Amino acid sequence: GEDVEQSLFLSVREGDSSVINCTYTDSSSTYLYWYKQEPGAGLQLLTYIFSNMDMKQDQRLTVLLNKKDKHLSLRIADTQTGDSAIYFCAERTNHGGATNKLIFGTGTLLAVQP
Amino acid sequence: NAGVTQTPKFQVLKTGQSMTLQCAQDMNHNSMYWYRQDPGMGLRLIYYSASEGTTDKGEVPNGYNVSRLNKREFSLRLESAAPSQTSVYFCASSEFAANSPLHFGNGTRLTVT
Repeated sequence: GEDVEQSLFLSVREGDSSVINCTYTDSSSTYLYWYKQEPGAGLQLLTYIFSNMDMKQDQRLTVLLNKKDKHLSLRIADTQTGDSAIYFCAERTNHGGATNKLIFGTGTLLAVQP
Repeated sequence: NAGVTQTPKFQVLKTGQSMTLQCAQDMNHNSMYWYRQDPGMGLRLIYYSASEGTTDKGEVPNGYNVSRLNKREFSLRLESAAPSQTSVYFCASSEFAANSPLHFGNGTRLTVT
């Protein structure tokens, strides 16, 4: 079946790098996404990677994809207190047809200590 | 640019009452979605509309109905609310149903007593 797993919690000090990990089971994934959710708000798209890429960098964010191990990570360089939020990994599965599903992980709470 | 707008932000219902959650997007997106978010469960898809005029069930459709009123608006109706429907509801839209990223509204926090 389709499943996306993340660790529940990560604590880092301000200025350090954060690495949030995600594993998925569906090998037909087309796109993989990272969303950020701040308290009381909706999910904000941070970045995404196409499944034929290994890495994508966008300012302080680096996404690494290991398709063989079905492992996705999000690295945040120079983590700031404003990065404290819940981070969701999501995969687009491809089972044919015009619509494919977006499967979300349960989210990782990132706490940044000053 | 407002993006995806949901109303209301908060609602308290008694068991058995009905209500409609409203959602509108101004990005000219073709596809719209309703999710619910519960602690430890991530986001679960209730219903989606791949394009204007179509709606389909997601993972957890029981107890809900939807209407794609036009390209901009997609509403979610609870006909007879139950405590198990206490949740945060998110509407989202995407340019297309396949591969486009989703853009989310800020959510409706619903409590059913």
